[in-house]
Amino acid sequence: ETGVTQTPRHLVMGMTNKKSLKCEQHLGHNAMYWYKQSAKKPLELMFVYSLEERVENNSVPSRFSPECPNSSHLFLHLHTLQPEDSALYLCASSQVFLAGGHTGELFFGEGSRLTVL
Amino acid sequence: SQELEQSPQSLIVQEGKNLTINCTSSKTLYGLYWYKQKYGEGLIFLMMLQKGGEEKSHEKITAKLDEKKQQSSLHITASQPSHAGIYLCGADITGTDKLIFGTGTRLQVFP
Repeated sequence: ETGVTQTPRHLVMGMTNKKSLKCEQHLGHNAMYWYKQSAKKPLELMFVYSLEERVENNSVPSRFSPECPNSSHLFLHLHTLQPEDSALYLCASSQVFLAGGHTGELFFGEGSRLTVL
Repeated sequence: SQELEQSPQSLIVQEGKNLTINCTSSKTLYGLYWYKQKYGEGLIFLMMLQKGGEEKSHEKITAKLDEKKQQSSLHITASQPSHAGIYLCGADITGTDKLIFGTGTRLQVFP
């Protein structure tokens, strides 16, 4: 079983659909992240949850809605997306220290490739 | 311009050759991370560098950090087809443990 599992691996949706991406980590980490990877662009940090609180929201459109019900699960709810939202969405986790800082290593899932028609 | 620049963008080498990939930050580096990605898959952690002059090796891959130049290099010795993939550098430039990434270097190794 891999450390960070993402489902589905592939998703095709219309602009009016509502879908969700799921991420589960089995590493006992307390921070989880959503990144977006588009062709020829750097990985973009979307959301960060640390100790189950959202600590980062990088000006992401409201059509993307994250949810972190516990330290092991992270969701990205999608609705009324645009074709330019088609990308690989990567989930990652890490261990952050209560006093600040983290181990430095992000563990990534395999990604969910989203195509918006 | 981007905060983290990687060069070259792509690289095609013959098996057995050495190669170097560079990563330059426009801001102070609090930590520099190298990852490898197979097409369409997640990122695999390779190495983390935090101190100026630090150098780490894993099998045939060596990474160095030049803190003054805000730059890191990744060197592969005697490349193999298994080294093929996309190499990404990630950096903490704010001291808040949030990583930003470069656009990646696509490496192809042919026999």
